Amino acid sequence: SQQGEEDPQALSIQEGENATMNCSYKTSINNLQWYRQNSGRGLVHLILIRSNEREKHSGRLRVTLDTSKKSSSLLITASRAADTASYFCAVSGGSNYKLTFGKGTLLTVNP
Amino acid sequence: GAGVSQSPRYKVAKRGQDVALRCDPISGHVSLFWYQQALGQGPEFLTYFQNEAQLDKSGLPSDRFFAERPEGSVSTLKIQRTQQEDSAVYLCASSSLFTSGGANTGELFFGEGSRLTVL
Repeated sequence: SQQGEEDPQALSIQEGENATMNCSYKTSINNLQWYRQNSGRGLVHLILIRSNEREKHSGRLRVTLDTSKKSSSLLITASRAADTASYFCAVSGGSNYKLTFGKGTLLTVNP
Repeated sequence: GAGVSQSPRYKVAKRGQDVALRCDPISGHVSLFWYQQALGQGPEFLTYFQNEAQLDKSGLPSDRFFAERPEGSVSTLKIQRTQQEDSAVYLCASSSLFTSGGANTGELFFGEGSRLTVL
């Protein structure tokens, strides 16, 4: 079963707009990671946030983590058509090696 | 190698056939994972290797699924007597987790996947 659940399932925006995706999980975690997957390709790691961190930035990406609400959000600013992809959150829990993925958010950025 | 390499990229099998999927991880990565991804879903964990040791095979859906990594590098996922419900993309990932001198961030590096279609 998948622990992380992304919301929304699909998101369509115009180029230049910001995109926000949310992830909820059920149990305590060591870290939470976001991955991107272009259609028919493998997953690419975007960013990792540890359980003792609240916010992290990487380029146009901003990730927040609220462990009290067991939720995270991924913000992509100034979106581009090339950002069109599926985005997955993944959590690492007690085992410290196994990543459990959500079902993903399909982001479409229209030029 | 520069990245994780998987072969074949596409495999069509008749129901009942055996298939073997290969994964060549990033050189030096101790940790290797197999995931199964159904259409429109996220990856589901199948099994985990640390070097040649298979430490976790809790995600393998049945005893028809078998994975090995005999020399701690290349790994093979074998599916015996394939069924239609086995149709999916099989993703391999490696990580520097537990690698001596590695970053130990837990970041996974994925291959492009092997898409299996069982007719």
